[in-house]
Amino acid sequence: GENVEQHPSTLSVQEGDSAVIKCTYSDSASNYFPWYKQELGKGPQLIIDIRSNVGEKKDQRIAVTLNKTAKHFSLHITETQPEDSAVYFCAASTGNNDMRFGAGTRLTVKP
Amino acid sequence: DVKVTQSSRYLVKRTGEKVFLECVQDMDHENMFWYRQDPGLGLRLIYFSYDVKMKEKGDIPEGYSVSREKKERFSLILESASTNQTSMYLCASGTEGAQETQYFGPGTRLLVL
Repeated sequence: GENVEQHPSTLSVQEGDSAVIKCTYSDSASNYFPWYKQELGKGPQLIIDIRSNVGEKKDQRIAVTLNKTAKHFSLHITETQPEDSAVYFCAASTGNNDMRFGAGTRLTVKP
Repeated sequence: DVKVTQSSRYLVKRTGEKVFLECVQDMDHENMFWYRQDPGLGLRLIYFSYDVKMKEKGDIPEGYSVSREKKERFSLILESASTNQTSMYLCASGTEGAQETQYFGPGTRLLVL
């Protein structure tokens, strides 16, 4: 089955800097890659996703890139703000109810 | 907005008790999921359901069962709670098809003493 690895497990940046979180997956049939943000005391919330026919997708300060050949995808957050502090999860799925999640990255943005 | 609600935010139970965790979604989604979340392990799938009365085992089904009698409701049952089931439990729902976005509830933090 699918195996998703996520790095780093913790990330601390200064406000205004960029943050990058990387994930690799094992199943070459995976074609859907969402990213979730989990704030303290809440469930994960979808923040951006990308499908395998797209190499990059951007939404304001957040972007995701996908390299299907290397089987890795990354989340980029620019101009980080304290409210970006949270745990971020990547996931991968073939579309057959087999979504698997990374272990999570705790991002801390220092004011 | 999609709304997924879970019956309890916090629960404290004793070893051997039968525990019910309830989840309700209001978006008429076909798929519903139960995960447990533990530090350093991310989200691990316990069970999912793609239709009423249908269920499929996930990666860690041992010690759990589920029930889906109505489309909007998906219950997780711990037949005899054990201390190693102390965890955060997350319910999610989603549509069929290739998009497969999942929408999560707020979670239930279960402590088994």
